[in-house]
Parts: sequence; C-alpha cells; structure tokens
Amino acid sequence: EAQVTQNPRYLITVTGKKLTVTCSQNMNHEYMSWYRQDPGLGLRQIYYSMNVEVTDKGDVPEGYKVSRKEKRNFPLILESPSPNQTSLYFCASRAERNQETQYFGPGTRLLVL
Amino acid sequence: GESVGLHLPTLSVQEGDNSIINCAYSNSASDYFIWYKQESGKGPQFIIDIRSNMDKRQGQRVTVLLNKTVKHLSLQIAATQPGDSAVYFCAERDDKIIFGKGTRLHILP
Repeated sequence: EAQVTQNPRYLITVTGKKLTVTCSQNMNHEYMSWYRQDPGLGLRQIYYSMNVEVTDKGDVPEGYKVSRKEKRNFPLILESPSPNQTSLYFCASRAERNQETQYFGPGTRLLVL
Repeated sequence: GESVGLHLPTLSVQEGDNSIINCAYSNSASDYFIWYKQESGKGPQFIIDIRSNMDKRQGQRVTVLLNKTVKHLSLQIAATQPGDSAVYFCAERDDKIIFGKGTRLHILP
C-alpha cells in the first residue's frame, strides 16, 4: 500500500529538549515536504526536499532542520523546541515538484511545554 | 499578499442534499487548483483538481468549478453523506502551493 508514515503520532516534550519526527514514504517519490497546521492559519510549509541531499526552506523554517540522506526518509528536527512550535505536523510526498498529487502522512501532534 | 481563503468556516448540510464549498484566491498567475478533504485525526486527502485552462471538472459525486474572472473556486458534493463530514480546503499553485484555511462540513441527520 502506497503511504507516508510519520512517527511519533503524538509527542509531549519540554522546552529545549531536542526531538526528531520521522517521515518515510514507500512510493519512491523525489519531492517531500514538511508542513505545520495551526488553527486559523492553515497548512504552512516548513521545509521541502526535491531529492536526496537537496533541501530548501519553506515559508516558516525558523527553529527547524531537515535532512534527506536517502530518498524514502525526510526527518524533521527541532534542536531546541519552544512552545510556539506546538502544532500539528504533516509530512507529504509527491513524485516530482510539478507532479500534482501530493500524499500526506497521518500527522504528528506536538505539544511543547 | 497572495492568499487562498474560504468564505465560511463551517457549513451545515442536510444528509442527501448537495454541498457547495467556496474558495477565493488572489493570485491570478496560479495555474492549478486542488481540493483536499481532511477527516478528524488524519492527513489531508486529495479529492479533485483543476487546471486554469478549464472551468469545470467532475469526479465521482464531486464537481469543481473555476471562475477566473472573479478568482473563485468551488467544490460541489452531490447527495452529501455522513462520510463527507470533514474539513475541506482548497490550494492554489503558482510557483508553490498555497493552502486555504479550511471549511468544516457538518452533516445534519
């Protein structure tokens, strides 16, 4: 089954404690993205990657890092989480940048105390 | 600035009736539009898309209409069912994809 998986699905942490949210896709997609979804603000892109070792900032990259060492995985790293990073995070992938159908993961709900 | 928005945050529809969800966009250069459905606890799911050279596209029980003159996009769901209950949001693409904030569709029994 074609899918995007994220782990963990739920996470409560404290300010400053580094965390990583993993994302994996089994569709051999080149293009992957991370979004955060906040009430009243919709989905905002954090970072994206057009292929292995190619990443770039989205609209709200501050406080986040990503890596793309292999095609299937695109982890989101919060080096020093802060309460304003409390949000619902989605990973997404599609075959290439201009290919329209984007597949989203199930989401990771993060609470930073 | 460029934005995609929805006219109503919540829409309540009687089961069996047709639903119409609206979306306004501001970037006249956008060439592609998408509707997503997001059920509670899940990620957004692609429903239907339309390119700017079209004004209507139909899928299974869903129709998307595009009016470029007034920069308006709508999603019509025929014979609304309880399983249609979700947040629906539109997205536009120019150089990048911009998502709207969403409309919650509530189905009345």
